[in-house]
Amino acid sequence: GAGVSQTPSNKVTEKGKYVELRCDPISGHTALYWYRQSLGQGPEFLIYFQGTGAADDSGLPNDRFFAVRPEGSVSTLKIQRTERGDSAVYLCASSLNPGEKLFFGSGTQLSVL
Amino acid sequence: DAKTTQPPSMDCAEGRAANLPCNHSTISGNEYVYWYRQIHSQGPQYIIHGLKNNETNEMASLIITEDRKSSTLILPHATLRDTAVYYCIVRAYNTDKLIFGTGTRLQVFP
Repeated sequence: GAGVSQTPSNKVTEKGKYVELRCDPISGHTALYWYRQSLGQGPEFLIYFQGTGAADDSGLPNDRFFAVRPEGSVSTLKIQRTERGDSAVYLCASSLNPGEKLFFGSGTQLSVL
Repeated sequence: DAKTTQPPSMDCAEGRAANLPCNHSTISGNEYVYWYRQIHSQGPQYIIHGLKNNETNEMASLIITEDRKSSTLILPHATLRDTAVYYCIVRAYNTDKLIFGTGTRLQVFP
């Protein structure tokens, strides 16, 4: 596709459930980023991949959050035992190479009831 | 990454220039100034970046002071579609993550 694609666009789940959020980056982009954005705040960095490996996961809030990028393209953000405080927009971005400008998707709105 | 300070909100009349200020008094010599904007319900969009020289592209101009402690993003002829939150970010080139602050909410009115 022409841009970064995120699915689903909206996800409603119950407290305690497991969710997976998917990101399809721009073809050929080696770097992939996950951010989380709460209402009225700027995006908060979660994790960054260079190729298949997580180069920086310092933003993951706790061990309930995990992300993978097994083939260096599509990435999945996984959240276990969801809590109401996990409700936010989860944004994915990619860049051709690290340090270059980021292209963001439209995000997944996660609502934990 | 160095911190930036931006006004929380600004207004601008359609067709006029919008001048968005940013203070980054602790910027390091190898850190660039980046600007992104976020229109409602969309992901952030890259606008422009610079090191120490003024920069211009099809979207905006970036003016960086000689001491590099502040900068101004200029939208020369603002339109209603420019209503968005504008983020000023500093980071060293070839580093990974962008650290966003809370930005400036620009409201362009008719």
